[in-house]
Amino acid sequence: GAGVSQTPSNKVTEKGKYVELRCDPISGHTALYWYRQSLGQGPEFLIYFQGTGAADDSGLPNDRFFAVRPEGSVSTLKIQRTERGDSAVYLCASSLTRATGELFFGEGSRLTVL
Amino acid sequence: KQEVTQIPAALSVPEGENLVLNCSFTDSAIYNLQWFRQDPGKGLTSLLLIQSSQREQTSGRLNASLDKSSGRSTLYIAASQPGDSATYLCLPGGYQKVTFGTGTKLQVIP
Repeated sequence: GAGVSQTPSNKVTEKGKYVELRCDPISGHTALYWYRQSLGQGPEFLIYFQGTGAADDSGLPNDRFFAVRPEGSVSTLKIQRTERGDSAVYLCASSLTRATGELFFGEGSRLTVL
Repeated sequence: KQEVTQIPAALSVPEGENLVLNCSFTDSAIYNLQWFRQDPGKGLTSLLLIQSSQREQTSGRLNASLDKSSGRSTLYIAASQPGDSATYLCLPGGYQKVTFGTGTKLQVIP
């Protein structure tokens, strides 16, 4: 696609529910990143994929968060048993390669947990 | 762990002024450094990417410099315009976990 696409753009859910956020990177980009941004803060790294594998998942806050990228393209961030503190904008970025790649971001998915 | 600091945290200038935004980072083992702008409620828009072997990169009224050894980058904006109002973020890209700074919130007053 022309840019990084994220769906849904907005998601409102109740505490304890399961949520999936999708990221469709730029075609051909092998590196994919997920970030979380709380109000007034810079984006916080969650996980990085190189191809299909999670090369660095050290930013995932706990085991309720999980992400997959089964075919090396689209990625899904999954959050189980959501909590109010999970409310944030979840940003996805992709780059052609990791080494020298310019990152391109999607518009984000705003998650609100009531 | 890479630590990134951006100074100032906020800046308000009259239209037409030239200005400098600063970014410092603790680990110089980086591939590149990228500057972004973020408008309220939006994603990040890439402005400039400087590779680790470069010292400077220019795009229109924007000029970014990189001093890798001292862990510093600056973003120079010439002849600022109200449309430049946004939060500016720098991102050192490296082997370690990629971490953003806190950003500089810029307001250009007409």
